[in-house]
Amino acid sequence: DGGITQSPKYLFRKEGQNVTLSCEQNLNHDAMYWYRQDPGQGLRLIYYSQIVNDFQKGDIAEGYSVSREKKESFPLTVTSAQKNPTAFYLCASSTRMYNEQFFGPGTRLTVL
Amino acid sequence: ELKVEQNPLFLSMQEGKNYTIYCNYSTTSDRLYWYRQDPGKSLESLFVLLSNGAVKQEGRLMASLDTKARLSTLHITAAVHDLSATYFCAVDGGASGTYKYIFGTGTRLKVLA
Repeated sequence: DGGITQSPKYLFRKEGQNVTLSCEQNLNHDAMYWYRQDPGQGLRLIYYSQIVNDFQKGDIAEGYSVSREKKESFPLTVTSAQKNPTAFYLCASSTRMYNEQFFGPGTRLTVL
Repeated sequence: ELKVEQNPLFLSMQEGKNYTIYCNYSTTSDRLYWYRQDPGKSLESLFVLLSNGAVKQEGRLMASLDTKARLSTLHITAAVHDLSATYFCAVDGGASGTYKYIFGTGTRLKVLA
């Protein structure tokens, strides 16, 4: 089955720690995205990548970092510089033709 | 700056009734997307609208796009409880070559039995 997987489903971080969220897709999509969603709010773009080895900052990139070494993978690191990281993190991917974004199941990050 | 506004933000309606959710955006774009999100879950793609005048229907939901008015509508016919969810529209920034979405604020729909 083709799709997008995210792991872990739940993640707990102590203050001062860096954590990495995994996102993998087997849809052969070129573009991948990371969003953050706070309770009762919409989605905000953190980073996106249109091609391997290239990525751009979204609207709220501070305190986050990404890499895109493989087409299938787009991990997100939440660094200690992100002061309020508790949120629901969603990864998505899309083709260039119609740009319909397909979303993974999400990772819920909580700071202890 | 591209902005996408949805209204209403909250909608409580009785089963069997009809209603429309509106999505206005502030710049030229030919592509608009509708998503559904259930509480605690991810986003599920509902409709992809790729040109002016596009109309798509699935069950009790119908979406349309008027690029000249910069308006999309999501019409609900004879609502049922299972349609209770948050609905987001998103506009494609592809005209600028970025492929970024700009999401609307979301409309939280509650269908009462």
